[in-house]
Amino acid sequence: DTEVTQTPKHLVMGMTNKKSLKCEQHMGHRAMYWYKQKAKKPPELMFVYSYEKLSINESVPSRFSPECPNSSLLNLHLHALQPEDSALYLCASSLAPGQKETQYFGPGTRLLVL
Amino acid sequence: DQQVKQNSPSLSVQEGRISILNCDYTNSMFDYFLWYKKYPAEGPTFLISISSIKDKNEDGRFTVFLNKSAKHLSLHIVPSQPGDSAVYFCAADPSTSGTYKYIFGTGTRLKVLA
Repeated sequence: DTEVTQTPKHLVMGMTNKKSLKCEQHMGHRAMYWYKQKAKKPPELMFVYSYEKLSINESVPSRFSPECPNSSLLNLHLHALQPEDSALYLCASSLAPGQKETQYFGPGTRLLVL
Repeated sequence: DQQVKQNSPSLSVQEGRISILNCDYTNSMFDYFLWYKKYPAEGPTFLISISSIKDKNEDGRFTVFLNKSAKHLSLHIVPSQPGDSAVYFCAADPSTSGTYKYIFGTGTRLKVLA
């Protein structure tokens, strides 16, 4: 089983709203990732959690706030987003952080910021 | 500077024939490569990977070839099926210690014609 689940599938929010994206995996993976993907572009890494600790923040604006409550769950809290933040947000996980560990992606949350 | 390049944005192939998707990279330190398939509005699905100690890896209809001297890899799909129509991304996993950041190519859209 290589399933990563993400909710919601779609989200529309105003620039003053606060919302959260949720990601879950039950594969015992200890590394989890948030990516952002714009149309016709490759995924761009945002954050990496390693053993529930934030290990990489790719200079992401503070209006995006990640949280890893436990080894199976990863959240992305959104506040005061801009229309240009509209994109597909992908969660991924791998068995362990580090090299040559295949990352498995969830289906994504398509976010529209009005 | 694009370190992983997929120079063909699109490819059309007849059903039953071979599809060959190409990927070039610039950094000889890259030593692990992956191919992902992506349908619209879904997350990338892992297809196959190859380590630089090999020059070929097969999984069913999918074979990845790696030519280290040319810094080139290719994905062969034989026989191609209409369900293979998707965007294919190659990704490099840098060997730099502590780096979890895949470097993705820009993708090739494959269309398999029935």
